[in-house]
Amino acid sequence: DAGVIQSPRHEVTEMGQEVTLRCKPISGHNSLFWYRQTMMRGLELLIYFNNNVPIDDSGMPEDRFSAKMPNASFSTLKIQPSEPRDSAVYFCASSFRQGVFGNEQFFGPGTRLTVL
Amino acid sequence: GENVEQHPSTLSVQEGDSAVIKCTYSDSASNYFPWYKQELGKRPQLIIDIRSNVGEKKDQRIAVTLNKTAKHFSLHITETQPEDSAVYFCAASMNKLIFGAGTRLAVHP
Repeated sequence: DAGVIQSPRHEVTEMGQEVTLRCKPISGHNSLFWYRQTMMRGLELLIYFNNNVPIDDSGMPEDRFSAKMPNASFSTLKIQPSEPRDSAVYFCASSFRQGVFGNEQFFGPGTRLTVL
Repeated sequence: GENVEQHPSTLSVQEGDSAVIKCTYSDSASNYFPWYKQELGKRPQLIIDIRSNVGEKKDQRIAVTLNKTAKHFSLHITETQPEDSAVYFCAASMNKLIFGAGTRLAVHP
């Protein structure tokens, strides 16, 4: 398996533009997570899906952020309009959830977003 | 709300020494405690994990201990090597992972 795939790997955009980040989870995994990593705030969970359904979006900073998972093999995180403070590395991770215990999350390579 | 505190934030050791990183969590319902290693510019990668029905787990030079009563868990690395230098994150999970702030470990030859 190729692991979790994210695109693009780097994105540079100007304030006010729409940004779409993409993620393909590991085949067979039923949970998908979007994280943001910055020096100031560390690793923050933005939203997660179980079986394509959003379960917890309490980490989404504001209405400018939205995420979708139209099927088991694809998810997007959209920022519209983007702002300089959105600059960060965005990670997607996936896992197979079974039973009551959590399981290893496999992280993608991340998308480094710079908003000028 | 859910919170995971991790310390120290930085740790510097000599090659061959042991390193210990400690975490506390707030949500008593947490039942899964992974540790991730992140090298500069790379993704976090799992190095060891433990479930709440186990008190200790070891894998070669690394071990994790869990004290559910005190809501503490720790990572122990023995015989450290320069390639152990990285940022280490603890996390606690019931349904979602809450990460600690990270420990930057430097192992000096």
